[in-house]
Amino acid sequence: GQNIDQPTEMTATEGAIVQINCTYQTSGFNGLFWYQQHAGEAPTFLSYNVLDGLEEKGRFSSFLSRSKGYSYLLLKELQMKDSASYLCAGGTTDSWGKFQFGAGTQVVVTP
Amino acid sequence: EAQVTQNPRYLITVTGKKLTVTCSQNMNHEYMSWYRQDPGLGLRQIYYSMNVEVTDKGDVPEGYKVSRKEKRNFPLILESPSPNQTSLYFCASSLWAGGPYEQYFGPGTRLTVT
Repeated sequence: GQNIDQPTEMTATEGAIVQINCTYQTSGFNGLFWYQQHAGEAPTFLSYNVLDGLEEKGRFSSFLSRSKGYSYLLLKELQMKDSASYLCAGGTTDSWGKFQFGAGTQVVVTP
Repeated sequence: EAQVTQNPRYLITVTGKKLTVTCSQNMNHEYMSWYRQDPGLGLRQIYYSMNVEVTDKGDVPEGYKVSRKEKRNFPLILESPSPNQTSLYFCASSLWAGGPYEQYFGPGTRLTVT
């Protein structure tokens, strides 16, 4: 299984940068996803990494180190609307179709 | 509009009264999955389906049943609901389970069992 861990909460100021870390125990690693979930809403996809390195998508970037079982999501130029929970998730080739999510990191953006 | 729909959105029921939460997607996705979300525990997978007539257990399948008779529908059945099944439920679908295929989530069903 993945046993995905991420911090519970982070607070940052509007315009700043925040890095959300995620660690996982690999067992047939099958790529790592990041989702954003606003309060009372469904999760929406942000990024996917399967190879080592940084993937950049506008203000959001995601990094993966397969050897270390480590990923992070980088949110730049924070806006108030970025206040949300960020979920790290992974699948495994041991059981195609099985996914595990971290408990989510609540990011609070302050003025 | 490409979407995943769930019904009902809110449900209050009593212990032991069988209920079904429907899930439907219009994207011709092969893969569908059910999750429950509880405070502090995140999303936990209940059941998933790789294709029609192919279903398998996730991490928390006890007390739930599913079926996949058509590609677009994946209902979640609680034969005898109990209070510990009070939760927020999400259905999701993706083109395929492996690889970079993101999951699209339905709006959620908030279930309360008294």
